[in-house]
Amino acid sequence: EAQVTQNPRYLITVTGKKLTVTCSQNMNHEYMSWYRQDPGLGLRQIYYSMNVEVTDKGDVPEGYKVSRKEKRNFPLILESPSPNQTSLYFCASRHYSGSAGTGELFFGEGSRLTVL
Amino acid sequence: GDSVTQMEGPVTLSEEACLTINCTYTATGYPSLFWYVQYPGEGLQLLLKATKADDKGSNKGFEATYRKETTSFHLEKGSVQVSDSAVYFCALSDRAGGYQKVTFGTGTKLQVIP
Repeated sequence: EAQVTQNPRYLITVTGKKLTVTCSQNMNHEYMSWYRQDPGLGLRQIYYSMNVEVTDKGDVPEGYKVSRKEKRNFPLILESPSPNQTSLYFCASRHYSGSAGTGELFFGEGSRLTVL
Repeated sequence: GDSVTQMEGPVTLSEEACLTINCTYTATGYPSLFWYVQYPGEGLQLLLKATKADDKGSNKGFEATYRKETTSFHLEKGSVQVSDSAVYFCALSDRAGGYQKVTFGTGTKLQVIP
């Protein structure tokens, strides 16, 4: 089954304790991206990657890191989480082919993070 | 930069009522336009899309037409069901940006009551 898998789905942590949210896709997609969803703000892009070892900042990258060492995985790292990073996080992927940007984004089920 | 503006929700309708959710956009190039739907507790999934002016996307009884002259992509359904209750996001992917980014609206929550 084609899917994007995120873990953990729910996490409560404390300020400053490093955490990683994993994301894996089994569709051989080149493009992967992280979003956060906050009430009244919709989805905002954190980071994206167009292929292995190629990553770039989205609209709200501060406080986050990513890596893309393998095509299927795109972990989101919070080195020192703060309460303003409490949010619902989504990983998404799609094929990327130059000008053919009409492809569907496939989303994971989300990871709800609370930072106390 | 690119932006998407959706009507504010929540929208509450009775079953079998007509639905319109307004969406307008600003883009520097020639965007592709999308509607995504998020059911409770789930991730977003593509509902429909249109890739050029005057295209009509349709799926599950929902329709939206790409109107370049009014920079709009309104979502419509003639008769909603309780199972349509969800949050709907309008989005665009801009060719001028190399399609590297998908810009989302803030979402419109729809509640359909029996």
